[in-house]
Amino acid sequence: GQSLEQPSEVTAVEGAIVQINCTYQTSGFYGLSWYQQHDGGAPTFLSYNALDGLEETGRFSSFLSRSDSYGYLLLQELQMKDSASYFCAAIYGQNFVFGPGTRLSVLP
Amino acid sequence: DAGVIQSPRHEVTEMGQEVTLRCKPISGHNSLFWYRQTMMRGLELLIYFNNNVPIDDSGMPEDRFSAKMPNASFSTLKIQPSEPRDSAVYFCASTAGTGDEQFFGPGTRLTVL
Repeated sequence: GQSLEQPSEVTAVEGAIVQINCTYQTSGFYGLSWYQQHDGGAPTFLSYNALDGLEETGRFSSFLSRSDSYGYLLLQELQMKDSASYFCAAIYGQNFVFGPGTRLSVLP
Repeated sequence: DAGVIQSPRHEVTEMGQEVTLRCKPISGHNSLFWYRQTMMRGLELLIYFNNNVPIDDSGMPEDRFSAKMPNASFSTLKIQPSEPRDSAVYFCASTAGTGDEQFFGPGTRLTVL
């Protein structure tokens, strides 16, 4: 089936840079999104890549390589409020599949 | 805009009872999604509608689950009869287009005793 892989946990300190990787299955792949979810909250959209390359939005950037079936979310200048779960989500035709999520802990 | 609205926010019921979750998407959005989130299984897509028509319901776990979208501004997810393993947070999301940003509602936390 269509499944995505992400690391389960990442820990970093304030001000650091963190990269969260996501690998996906190629068949029928259309694009890759990233969502953030704080404990007790709903997922909120961060970015979307349909083409290869880097998309930058403030402190967050997302990258996609179709040839490697791989993408990542880059978080710079980490802040305590960035502690949350981050999900990659792949679009396959008219189907959406979320990864298992990466829990990011930002330490002071 | 108020965003995606879900009700109730919390539901506690007993096994065997019928549960109905409600969702109002953002006005003008033509796609609506129902998700279920648990610690064990993560975020799962149950069903999604495009222009009020169910497109993919392959994620609906079994016949006890049903979803309807009678018009562009309202959808329901029904579980009958409910079981303890249905306990989860159920999210509704809407989007203006297939590949666009999904806007999630606050979720309904369902507990089946």
